[in-house]
Amino acid sequence: EAGVAQSPRYKIIEKRQSVAFWCNPISGHATLYWYQQILGQGPKLLIQFQNNGVVDDSQLPKDRFSAERLKGVDSTLKIQPAKLEDSAVYLCASSLVLANVGETQYFGPGTRLLVL
Amino acid sequence: QQPVQSPQAVILREGEDAVINCSSSKALYSVHWYRQKHGEAPVFLMILLKGGEQKGHEKISASFNEKKQQSSLYLTASQLSYSGTYFCGTDGLAGGTSYGKLTFGQGTILTVHP
Repeated sequence: EAGVAQSPRYKIIEKRQSVAFWCNPISGHATLYWYQQILGQGPKLLIQFQNNGVVDDSQLPKDRFSAERLKGVDSTLKIQPAKLEDSAVYLCASSLVLANVGETQYFGPGTRLLVL
Repeated sequence: QQPVQSPQAVILREGEDAVINCSSSKALYSVHWYRQKHGEAPVFLMILLKGGEQKGHEKISASFNEKKQQSSLYLTASQLSYSGTYFCGTDGLAGGTSYGKLTFGQGTILTVHP
């Protein structure tokens, strides 16, 4: 079974530029998550989708970050404009269903973003 | 609120044991443990559900004390492959609708030497 796919793996941009990350979850997984992991810290949830609807985006900086999952499968996370503090690894994860307590989340390899 | 992990770092020789703790200030329904190697994605180890279940995976096991809102990960007879950063992720219901919303601790760096 293929895992969670993400691209690009690495991205270097100047501050105030825009950047987009793509994620394709495990086939059949209804729930998709985007996390931000700053060096030396644990992953922090940015947004959670159930199919193509947003379940939780309370920690997404909506003035510069946006995400969509139009057809309930793959997803795009965008930052516009980027700031220095956005330098981090952006992890995508997916799980089979949302409604069960203790549902396993499977992570992709992440996109390492460096903002100069 | 972010769970607190202790210790922050552990250095072991192969074959030694270690315990990593994860404490939360709020009621928990599940605790998820992951291991992340440098530059790689977090890899799922196990889930513990409300009820104090102790689960095992080869020589790695864990417990969940619901009353104390704590979980501990036990690594027995450590191997070189156990090196990495261990994260606990906690899932606590807030109004009954936050299933799947994991809040991760800051991580515990485990280094196993030959």
